[in-house]
Amino acid sequence: NAGVMQNPRHLVRRRGQEARLRCSPMKGHSHVYWYRQLPEEGLKFMVYLQKENIIDESGMPKERFSAEFPKEGPSILRIQQVVRGDSAAYFCASSPSRGGSGAYEQYFGPGTRLTVT
Amino acid sequence: GQSLEQPSEVTAVEGAIVQINCTYQTSGFYGLSWYQQHDGGAPTFLSYNALDGLEETGRFSSFLSRSDSYGYLLLQELQMKDSASYFCAVLGGATNKLIFGTGTLLAVQP
Repeated sequence: NAGVMQNPRHLVRRRGQEARLRCSPMKGHSHVYWYRQLPEEGLKFMVYLQKENIIDESGMPKERFSAEFPKEGPSILRIQQVVRGDSAAYFCASSPSRGGSGAYEQYFGPGTRLTVT
Repeated sequence: GQSLEQPSEVTAVEGAIVQINCTYQTSGFYGLSWYQQHDGGAPTFLSYNALDGLEETGRFSSFLSRSDSYGYLLLQELQMKDSASYFCAVLGGATNKLIFGTGTLLAVQP
């Protein structure tokens, strides 16, 4: 059973370009979460999605950032017009269900390291 | 709001026991989780406490006191491979988002 997959693992973008990060959850998992981690800091929640629905986007900046989890295919985190402050590691996690044991135990992918030059 | 506080660094020697504390302030509490992260890699789940008391899983144990808004992770028989960052986390209310603590960098020395 493959784990959570993210690609690319490393992404370099110039200021003003778009960054597109992909996440495929574990098989059988329908809940996807995106977190951002700045160097030497903890993980900060960005957005929680289920198939075709955004459940909680309270941690995502209102401008330039968007996320989707279509019926088919991976979840996408999209950052438009990137700035240097967007440089960070972006982690995706998945869980099988809401509530109970499925909520507190999330399975994380290896992350995408975004560098904005 | 919600916040979790941890010591920033802890150092211990191989074979020793170390305790990593976590104090939290939340507007609704559903349990305390612990995650391990090696060198910025994927965080991995270690344990979860929903009720007061000690949960033991091999060399790792986790404790929770809801009345004190406090928990800790206990690592026994430390090994070099335990050198990593450890994060406590709570579920953020009605949705499943995890709110992470500031993280504790554990350095295990020979």
